Amino acid sequence: AQSVSQHNHHVILSEAASLELGCNYSYGGTVNLFWYVQYPGQHLQLLLKYFSGDPLVKGIKGFEAEFIKSKFSFNLRKPSVQWSDTAEYFCAVADRYNTDKLIFGTGTRLQVFP
Amino acid sequence: DAGITQSPRHKVTETGTPVTLRCHQTENHRYMYWYRQDPGHGLRLIHYSYGVKDTDKGEVSDGYSVSRSKTEDFLLTLESATSSQTSVYFCAISERKGGGTEAFFGQGTRLTVV
Repeated sequence: AQSVSQHNHHVILSEAASLELGCNYSYGGTVNLFWYVQYPGQHLQLLLKYFSGDPLVKGIKGFEAEFIKSKFSFNLRKPSVQWSDTAEYFCAVADRYNTDKLIFGTGTRLQVFP
Repeated sequence: DAGITQSPRHKVTETGTPVTLRCHQTENHRYMYWYRQDPGHGLRLIHYSYGVKDTDKGEVSDGYSVSRSKTEDFLLTLESATSSQTSVYFCAISERKGGGTEAFFGQGTRLTVV
């Protein structure tokens, strides 16, 4: 069965610091990968996605992620965070061919202080 | 935002009572999902549907049932609510887009079982 691990449960940064959130998945087949963001009191919104092609994908609000197949990883990065990036971030994986079910990691809570 | 409406948005119910949550979409997407979100667990799939009257279990389906009699509606029922089902419930819909599947989420329903 597929699973997703997010190793950072709670990250605290100051504004302008760089961000990298780890995501590893376990699945041997072809996958689609996603990062979702949930701002306080809101629903999940898609930050970025990887289906195929260039393993470095760019999303909204200056976020990017790199798919490294050999490491089963899809880490999220942002060079300079802002206070408005305070939110919870979820990595998710879907089997590309057999199912459209999204399996989520447990989430990383990011707090950015001015 | 995708046209997804969850109702009710908040509900408090007593242990042992039946509860039905509704998800309504206006996008005509084939796939619909129910997730629950709990601290430390991320989002966990309860049930999903891949068409009218076609449903399947997710990873935490015990104590829940679903029905989909129309493309636009996906109902989640707790036959006899328990305190362990206190959670935030999210409905999602998905479509195939650009070689992969992208999911959109509703605003969530906060359910408290007392």
